[in-house]
Amino acid sequence: SQTIHQWPATLVQPVGSPLSLECTVEGTSNPNLYWYRQAAGRGLQLLFYSVGIGQISSEVPQNLSASRPQDRQFILSSKKLLLSDSGFYLCAWRLLTEQYFGPGTRLTVT
Amino acid sequence: QQQVKQSPQSLIVQKGGISIINCAYENTAFDYFPWYQQFPGKGPALLIAIRPDVSEKKEGRFTISFNKSAKQFSLHIMDSQPGDSATYFCAATPTNSGYSTLTFGKGTMLLVSP
Repeated sequence: SQTIHQWPATLVQPVGSPLSLECTVEGTSNPNLYWYRQAAGRGLQLLFYSVGIGQISSEVPQNLSASRPQDRQFILSSKKLLLSDSGFYLCAWRLLTEQYFGPGTRLTVT
Repeated sequence: QQQVKQSPQSLIVQKGGISIINCAYENTAFDYFPWYQQFPGKGPALLIAIRPDVSEKKEGRFTISFNKSAKQFSLHIMDSQPGDSATYFCAATPTNSGYSTLTFGKGTMLLVSP
């Protein structure tokens, strides 16, 4: 069966510090991968998606970037965090139609 | 045209009652409509999904009703329980492209009172 992992689960970072969030999927090959952000009590904002290694599409211009160095690994990064980057970051994978989310990373920028 | 409009924003239902959440879309290319359930601090979980070739799909206490001509679909939770208290998201996507992404509604916070 397929599983998706995200780490860390929680993160507190000061403004201006770098960020690296990692997502890995097990049990499937060549999935579409997605990064979403969810502000407190808000909806799901798609940040990036990838249909293959090295292929990244950005949905929202911001100081975040994404990379897919391996088939089942998706990384979200920032060189300098802003207060507005705080939120709940969700990775998701999709093969054909059904999309599944990971457990999320709660990021607080102080 | 890419939007999915979800209502209500929040909903309070008594235990044992029926919870109804509605979504409407404009893009006629959408042909897959999932619903997600999200508990606080957790990632959304796929609850149930429907394709437009059927008008209704039922899984346990959860039912999706689909009206293709009206471009609307809804989630019905029968015999609602306090454990159903969560945020529910509807979504839609075309499935004829590997590059498609899900378009989500803004979510409905459901509270089932004991």
